[in-house]
Amino acid sequence: RKEVEQDPGPFNVPEGATVAFNCTYSNSASQSFFWYRQDCRKEPKLLMSVYSSGNEDGRFTAQLNRASQYISLLIRDSKLSDSATYLCVVNMGSGGSNYKLTFGKGTLLTVNP
Amino acid sequence: DVKVTQSSRYLVKRTGEKVFLECVQDMDHENMFWYRQDPGLGLRLIYFSYDVKMKEKGDIPEGYSVSREKKERFSLILESASTNQTSMYLCASSPGLAGLKNIQYFGAGTRLSVL
Repeated sequence: RKEVEQDPGPFNVPEGATVAFNCTYSNSASQSFFWYRQDCRKEPKLLMSVYSSGNEDGRFTAQLNRASQYISLLIRDSKLSDSATYLCVVNMGSGGSNYKLTFGKGTLLTVNP
Repeated sequence: DVKVTQSSRYLVKRTGEKVFLECVQDMDHENMFWYRQDPGLGLRLIYFSYDVKMKEKGDIPEGYSVSREKKERFSLILESASTNQTSMYLCASSPGLAGLKNIQYFGAGTRLSVL
């Protein structure tokens, strides 16, 4: 099983659509979880952290299911500016490697007018 | 705002050359990282450092070395560049905090071509 696995995509959706990304992780002892966004030819940037109880930031909702080792990102009312690659990111480290993050390969989203 | 600066956006080198990629962060972060990103393979960790003069191998350290003489600067060295090291190289830094505060901030990347 890959350490962090995401829907391969690509996702092509019309403006205003709701789109959901899923991610699974292999290490049940993983400590923290994030979604990053990467625009074409740019560096990854933090979109949101994922809290155990789930959290929302405007049109974006992140959920964590520790029992199933599953993370999701929901985008409501998609905008053209949401077009990007979304990276699922997990901190699996412990001890000296506690600061390492493991990145999924990303899911490409294109929002069409 | 956190700023992570990589010395070059684009670099073209010849096979066998020694290559230095420099990264500087201005937020007094303890941890610094070097990744490479290739189509279909995602981000892969080469080396990281959690303190000055400390380093740990990541997932793909072969063919690379690093140097961290000062807290703000982390250098990636390709001792003898090869064509399979053509890639986008990304530097990141993070504070020495655990859990959801363990956020990495990235530089703009260096696109290295080895001919």
